[in-house]
Amino acid sequence: QQQVKQSPQSLIVQKGGISIINCAYENTAFDYFPWYQQFPGKGPALLIAIRPDVSEKKEGRFTISFNKSAKQFSLHIMDSQPGDSATYFCAGLKETSGSRLTFGEGTQLTVNP
Amino acid sequence: KAGVTQTPRYLIKTRGQQVTLSCSPISGHRSVSWYQQTPGQGLQFLFEYFSETQRNKGNFPGRFSGRQFSNSRSEMNVSTLELGDSALYLCASKPLAEYNEQFFGPGTRLTVL
Repeated sequence: QQQVKQSPQSLIVQKGGISIINCAYENTAFDYFPWYQQFPGKGPALLIAIRPDVSEKKEGRFTISFNKSAKQFSLHIMDSQPGDSATYFCAGLKETSGSRLTFGEGTQLTVNP
Repeated sequence: KAGVTQTPRYLIKTRGQQVTLSCSPISGHRSVSWYQQTPGQGLQFLFEYFSETQRNKGNFPGRFSGRQFSNSRSEMNVSTLELGDSALYLCASKPLAEYNEQFFGPGTRLTVL
């Protein structure tokens, strides 16, 4: 019941296009859903996060869409740039359980110039 | 402010040995968590420390242990190394136990031969 499933495993997008990464979770106790971005040789960095009482959150070119009834959420990257090429991880957290993030498998995004 | 620092960055050990990894959190951060990242299992939570006390532990064998010092620096130890322990070990810190965003270090790449 702790799993977070992420798709696709890899994604290739042209510069200026929209990148969409999807996640589905099982644990309904999760109440915080962050997306992390990881570049080679670096640790993951928080990109954007959402709580289940909100259906959408936008920060610049990055938007999270959240569907509580379907237990799904997705990351949309508008106007994708080559600098966005990285691995993206979705995660779920039950806030009262401290720092125990449950991560999805990751999506390797490549944005071609 | 300096980020999370992990030492060493790379380590090669042989089966049966033990290893100690070190993490210095961002100044003022009192919570430190450890994660294991492998291509097969992805990012998995190991444990979390806050004010020198373990708050949470993931599903890893007892060979994996950790501790936190009064200055919030943390170490994790893996005894009787196995080939499957080869991974990137990531440390993350946050200022308070209730704070959600975790700041990751660059990791220690452990190779077990």
